[in-house]
Amino acid sequence: AQSVAQPEDQVNVAEGNPLTVKCTYSVSGNPYLFWYVQYPNRGLQFLLKYITGDNLVKGSYGFEAEFNKSQTSFHLKKPSALVSDSALYFCAWEGGGNKLTFGTGTQLKVEL
Amino acid sequence: SQTIHQWPATLVQPVGSPLSLECTVEGTSNPNLYWYRQAAGRGLQLLFYSIGIGQISSEVPQNLSASRPQDRQFILSSKKLLLSDSGFYLCAWSAGSGMGNTIYFGEGSWLTVV
Repeated sequence: AQSVAQPEDQVNVAEGNPLTVKCTYSVSGNPYLFWYVQYPNRGLQFLLKYITGDNLVKGSYGFEAEFNKSQTSFHLKKPSALVSDSALYFCAWEGGGNKLTFGTGTQLKVEL
Repeated sequence: SQTIHQWPATLVQPVGSPLSLECTVEGTSNPNLYWYRQAAGRGLQLLFYSIGIGQISSEVPQNLSASRPQDRQFILSSKKLLLSDSGFYLCAWSAGSGMGNTIYFGEGSWLTVV
């Protein structure tokens, strides 16, 4: 079955350090991939997406993601983490009909 | 700009009671509309999606139904709630059916069935 996987339930990083939240995909053809963030008791906020073109995608709040076809990955990155980045992050892929299937989420905790 | 409103934000309902969650989108026309459920604070499951008035597709068999009486209104309903219906329900929209359109989410509705 086609899917995305987020191998880490939780990622801890110190404020000011770079952060990476991992996502791998198992999707045939050219995948459309998305990242969303969810703060406690809130809806999901769109961060960025890869459709085609440049493999490095820049998004909101200083986040970026790199599409790597050979490694079937779409990891989310930020050069310098903030405590306010602490949230739940979801990777997703788009199947037919503009419908998203989400990964299981990764809890990011940024500590002082 | 486009906005999405979802209500009520929190709901506590007894088992066997009916449910109605409402969602409206402003600032766009003929959007795709979606209902997702998030259980246990993590997994997101697509319940229903709609590409137009009266056109509803159900993704999973369940105790819930959806309706789209107007272009920008999407309603999630149940005639008799089950304990297992508890969760965080998210309405979402996108601009049409083209691939790659961003899906935008509302703030969610917490449903607790007691």
